[in-house]
Amino acid sequence: KAGVTQTPRYLIKTRGQQVTLSCSPISGHRSVSWYQQTPGQGLQFLFEYFSETQRNKGNFPGRFSGRQFSNSRSEMNVSTLELGDSALYLCASSLTLQGAYGYTFGSGTRLTVV
Amino acid sequence: DQQVKQNSPSLSVQEGRISILNCDYTNSMFDYFLWYKKYPAEGPTFLISISSIKDKNEDGRFTVFLNKSAKHLSLHIVPSQPGDSAVYFCAARGTGNQFYFGTGTSLTVIP
Repeated sequence: KAGVTQTPRYLIKTRGQQVTLSCSPISGHRSVSWYQQTPGQGLQFLFEYFSETQRNKGNFPGRFSGRQFSNSRSEMNVSTLELGDSALYLCASSLTLQGAYGYTFGSGTRLTVV
Repeated sequence: DQQVKQNSPSLSVQEGRISILNCDYTNSMFDYFLWYKKYPAEGPTFLISISSIKDKNEDGRFTVFLNKSAKHLSLHIVPSQPGDSAVYFCAARGTGNQFYFGTGTSLTVIP
């Protein structure tokens, strides 16, 4: 079965712009989580959606937002981009909210802010 | 504040020998721990997990040990193979189902 699909793979944006990243989870998975990966910081949790509702949120400013659609696909939006937002953004899906069987990650979207 | 720490950024091991990757955490409320493996240009892949009610979980060549009193987690790979060369992340589940990841350890298995 298809894995977690993230689009686009690469993005270059200018400071002040906004960006939308997309994630299609594994078929049947209802939980979608977003992570930011930067060198030296590891993976930082952004938020988790389950059944179109945000169930959990990490410590990121309000410029970072997301949503989940009825087909479980999710989008993440970052407004007023800053240079420090340059990172690999990973989406992960899970069958359940508890994540007891681990999450399946996509390959990520590499965002560069210039 | 990093609640899950992997203090060794890198590790090199000879093929056939044991690889031991370590992880420390600060929050005693963490109840579930996972290890992920990540190859370049790919997302992390779930490897093995352990509940806080256990102290060991084994899956083939991979064994995870949990020492709750020391708040320490380790992953043992025996025997190590060149294909194991990757970045390994440990993760811990806190309240509200939020997962906290370490910064990763890059393992190189030398043939």
